[in-house]
Amino acid sequence: KAGVTQTPRYLIKTRGQQVTLSCSPISGHRSVSWYQQTPGQGLQFLFEYFSETQRNKGNFPGRFSGRQFSNSRSEMNVSTLELGDSALYLCASSPAIGLWNTEAFFGQGTRLTVV
Amino acid sequence: QKEVEQDPGPLSVPEGAIVSLNCTYSNSAFQYFMWYRQYSRKGPELLMYTYSSGNKEDGRFTAQVDKSSKYISLFIRDSQPSDSATYLCAMTSGGGSARQLTFGSGTQLTVLP
Repeated sequence: KAGVTQTPRYLIKTRGQQVTLSCSPISGHRSVSWYQQTPGQGLQFLFEYFSETQRNKGNFPGRFSGRQFSNSRSEMNVSTLELGDSALYLCASSPAIGLWNTEAFFGQGTRLTVV
Repeated sequence: QKEVEQDPGPLSVPEGAIVSLNCTYSNSAFQYFMWYRQYSRKGPELLMYTYSSGNKEDGRFTAQVDKSSKYISLFIRDSQPSDSATYLCAMTSGGGSARQLTFGSGTQLTVLP
């Protein structure tokens, strides 16, 4: 069974640009969550999508947005990039049953560097 | 104060030792508890998943949850050099926020051959 696939693996962008990251969850999983990992703040929750709807959102500015498609694939977008957005962005896939918690499996992440 | 506190280490042990990793938390609503292992430049790998209080064993790994003390532990028996990684605890409440994980800062473990 294929795992969570995130593309691209590495990305270098300039301040002020925007970026789109992609996540393909494990087949059959309906929930996709996004996390930002930095040395200083650790892993922080960005948002979760389930059945194409954003269910939860973390404490991040509106420059961070996402969406989920009917095949459960998800994208996240960061506009007007800042140096502090440099991080490892991780996608987690869960089978999900309604609102219940289920195991979350992470992809390898996209390492974004803003210069 | 962070909702989840985890000793960052680093922790260094000899091969074959028993390793104890711990997290404390302040949010009494947390009821799902997870341990992840993360190798350098990789995504976190789920090791253990438990619901509410109690113990769970999987091979060399044992997870313990004590909700009354708001304390969770991961024990690794017969530790191996391949266990060298950062270990992250994660937890969440139920209901609408069930899939919003709150992580500890991670403990860096080195198992020396």
